[in-house]
Amino acid sequence: DQQVKQNSPSLSVQEGRISILNCDYTNSMFDYFLWYKKYPAEGPTFLISISSIKDKNEDGRFTVFLNKSAKHLSLHIVPSQPGDSAVYFCAATGNTGGFKTIFGAGTRLFVKA
Amino acid sequence: KAGVTQTPRYLIKTRGQQVTLSCSPISGHRSVSWYQQTPGQGLQFLFEYFSETQRNKGNFPGRFSGRQFSNSRSEMNVSTLELGDSALYLCASSPGLAGDTQYFGPGTRLTVL
Repeated sequence: DQQVKQNSPSLSVQEGRISILNCDYTNSMFDYFLWYKKYPAEGPTFLISISSIKDKNEDGRFTVFLNKSAKHLSLHIVPSQPGDSAVYFCAATGNTGGFKTIFGAGTRLFVKA
Repeated sequence: KAGVTQTPRYLIKTRGQQVTLSCSPISGHRSVSWYQQTPGQGLQFLFEYFSETQRNKGNFPGRFSGRQFSNSRSEMNVSTLELGDSALYLCASSPGLAGDTQYFGPGTRLTVL
């Protein structure tokens, strides 16, 4: 039962353009959503988060949008840079019967120079 | 502050053996979570420890166990190893409140032959 889904295993974008990574979730009890970035041979690092009481959170080139009615969130990276090439994980947490964080399968982003 | 450390970084075992992985969280963090990462499966939650108590558990067989010590360091044990246990095992620490950002270690790459 995948409660957090990232349906695109990979995405390729030209440098300077917008990257949009999508994530869907099924559990309405999730109230906090996070994006992590992972480079090869390193652990994931926190990128940006959003509370369920908001619909947008922005941090520099990164913006996360949350559509609660659709149970969908997206990460926008503008402008995309080659250094953004990594695997991006969407994660969700909340009062789902514990303090575990559920991660999606990840989307590998390639930013071409 | 020093980051999350995991030892060993790489491990090769054979089927039927057991293995113990270690994680030292960021100083002051009381929560340690363990994840298994395999290609296409994202990060699968194993368990979370807080103040030496297992606070939450994922859907893994009983061969996977863990513990946390009074200094918050944690160990994960896998007994009777199977080929399918080959994966990257990631440890993450956080202060311990719901929604806290998790800080990941570099992981232990386990290969079961």
